[in-house]
Amino acid sequence: AQKVTQAQTEISVVEKEDVTLDCVYETRDTTYYLFWYKQPPSGELVFLIRRNSFDEQNEISGRYSWNFQKSTSSFNFTITASQVVDSAVYFCALTHQAGTALIFGKGTTLSVSS
Amino acid sequence: AAGVIQSPRHLIKEKRETATLKCYPIPRHDTVYWYQQGPGQDPQFLISFYEKMQSDKGSIPDRFSAQQFSDYHSELNMSSLELGDSALYFCASSWLDRGQITDTQYFGPGTRLTVL
Repeated sequence: AQKVTQAQTEISVVEKEDVTLDCVYETRDTTYYLFWYKQPPSGELVFLIRRNSFDEQNEISGRYSWNFQKSTSSFNFTITASQVVDSAVYFCALTHQAGTALIFGKGTTLSVSS
Repeated sequence: AAGVIQSPRHLIKEKRETATLKCYPIPRHDTVYWYQQGPGQDPQFLISFYEKMQSDKGSIPDRFSAQQFSDYHSELNMSSLELGDSALYFCASSWLDRGQITDTQYFGPGTRLTVL
């Protein structure tokens, strides 16, 4: 069975602080895919990144970076110099094949205050 | 860039009524997915279609049905609505690149269904 755990329910930071959102996954598949989505207060789900199980290279995109470690089954997300606009619910998700369900974690609510 | 279109954006129904939600995928996308998100919860997968055939099925109630049409748009039909069906319903679409095993699901803005 597949499972995604986001142990941090809520995180509050002050602007310009760095923050890391944790994601731990479980799967028996040898090939799988991990995602991060952002859900701002307006409600839409915004795709942030996709990582394949066979590619452990970390990625940086502006203030966002992702650390994928198969040894610990983790796919953590770091926001550097957080901004108020980063306030949202962030979901980590897992799937193993095209056309099939995304398995979401419970989400982490990030609140960034000025 | 064109995004996934969902209609209506808001819908209010009475118990035991029926509702139809529509989804228009991103142009060239051939797979659509439906998810239900209750208040404060993560999205739960309902069903997906690839080239008009059901691709995967999740926790979709028997009172719900869905299909994908020849123009790739999809409709989710919900009957005998219950209070517990009140939720945000997302449609997502994707396109499988050649040589890839999976795809990226891009979500629409959602339809907020309220059952009174």
